Amino acid sequence: IVMSQSPGTLSLSPGETVTLSCRASQRLSGSDLAWYQQKPGQAPRLLMFSASRRATGVPDRFSGSGSGTDFSLTISRLEPEDFAVYFCQQYLTSPGTFGQGTKLDSK
Amino acid sequence: QVQLQESGPGLVRPSETLSLTCAVSGYSISRSHYWAWIRQSPGKGLEWIGSVFSSGSTSYNPSLKSRVTILVDTSMNQFSLRLTSVTASDMAMYYCARVGALTAYYPADNWFDFWGQGILVTVSS
Repeated sequence: IVMSQSPGTLSLSPGETVTLSCRASQRLSGSDLAWYQQKPGQAPRLLMFSASRRATGVPDRFSGSGSGTDFSLTISRLEPEDFAVYFCQQYLTSPGTFGQGTKLDSK
Repeated sequence: QVQLQESGPGLVRPSETLSLTCAVSGYSISRSHYWAWIRQSPGKGLEWIGSVFSSGSTSYNPSLKSRVTILVDTSMNQFSLRLTSVTASDMAMYYCARVGALTAYYPADNWFDFWGQGILVTVSS
């Protein structure tokens, strides 16, 4: 399954709200999708799993939604530490596959 | 808190074997979980390599299966990756991670909830 993320880069300001998109090339029958955040020089960090469940310690300004082939990650009230690259991953079908990422830049 | 730490040579010669180890702390690797290797490169992005269960059973990405071996050592609380016949396309940051789960039965490439910091592997003569 090929995962496509759009846009490639977004430039926003702290305090704004952003929605990142992730599309699967095949329907994900359940909600078998995760989101990760990666900052420069760091490993990816799990944010969401099962499309809409926040991982431990993730602030509630992060929310995930979607089903089928279209999924989104919304970050409300952007904080300076939220500027990073975000990846989606499907795990319905093995091998699990990742999107190419969306970079969130500070304007 | 689960912590993972990769170790191994950062430089491997073409056609040779890449060997990495992931030491796990704060959690017993003997508990029922899959443990995974994932790599990241500018060209291929994030790619799941394979996973090993605490029992030793494995699951590999078909694209790498012929060259990959992942083993678990419960006595040392660590697991390892072996990738044979490396080429320049195997140059990447290699991460070890724990596979997350909510149920007793889950895929070996579910989501990944704890990651090591990564180790950069260069392939060069």
